[in-house]
Amino acid sequence: SAVISQKPSRDICQRGTSLTIQCQVDSQVTMMFWYRQQPGQSLTLIATANQGSEATYESGFVIDKFPISRPNLTFSTLTVSNMSPEDSSIYLCSVEGRGTTEAFFGQGTRLTVV
Amino acid sequence: GEDVEQSLFLSVREGDSSVINCTYTDSSSTYLYWYKQEPGAGLQLLTYIFSNMDMKQDQRLTVLLNKKDKHLSLRIADTQTGDSAIYFCAEITDKLIFGTGTRLQVFP
Repeated sequence: SAVISQKPSRDICQRGTSLTIQCQVDSQVTMMFWYRQQPGQSLTLIATANQGSEATYESGFVIDKFPISRPNLTFSTLTVSNMSPEDSSIYLCSVEGRGTTEAFFGQGTRLTVV
Repeated sequence: GEDVEQSLFLSVREGDSSVINCTYTDSSSTYLYWYKQEPGAGLQLLTYIFSNMDMKQDQRLTVLLNKKDKHLSLRIADTQTGDSAIYFCAEITDKLIFGTGTRLQVFP
C-alpha cells in the first residue's frame, strides 16, 4: 500500500484568495489524482497529474481555477484559485497502488470559504 | 454514460448484518471497489472484486457481483458501531467513478 500525506488537513479561507494543497507519497508513483467531494456528495475527479507533463483535467474543471504541479514522482500540489463559497469541499489526493488497480487516498483537506 | 447509484442511508442494529447495494452502468469495468469513509477521514479501501468473479469473501465482508444486472453488494456480518461510516462503491474503466455513497448507521 501507499501512505499519502496531505497538508493542510483543513483551512478556512477568505473568498478571492487561493489555497495550495500539498500531497506527499511515501513511494514513487506514475499517476496522482485530485478529487473534490462537495458536502454530502460523492467524489468527483478534478484532474490526473503526471510527472513531466501538464495535468489532464476532467470536464468542468480548468487549469486557471485548479492549477496543479507535479515536480517529481512523490509529490503534487493542487491550488484552488480565487475561491468562492462554492469551492467549500473536501479535496483528496489519490494514487494507484503498484502492480494493482487499487487506489489509495490521503486523509483529505477540508476547505471552507467564507 | 457513467453512473453509479447507491441508496443514501442504511440503519441496522449492532450484531445484525448490513447489506449495501450499488448499481453501475459501464459493463467494461474491470474492477469494482468498496471504500469506507469515516467522519473527518479520507477513503479507506475495504475490498475489491474482479469483474469475472461472482463473489469475494474477506473476514466479515462479502462482496457479490451480478454482472448481468450490473449490481454490486457489500454484506457486513455482525455489524459493529465502528462500522458506522459512509460506504462508496466505485467502478474503474479509464478512471474511478464513485457511487453516491451510503451512510450506514449502527445502533445498539
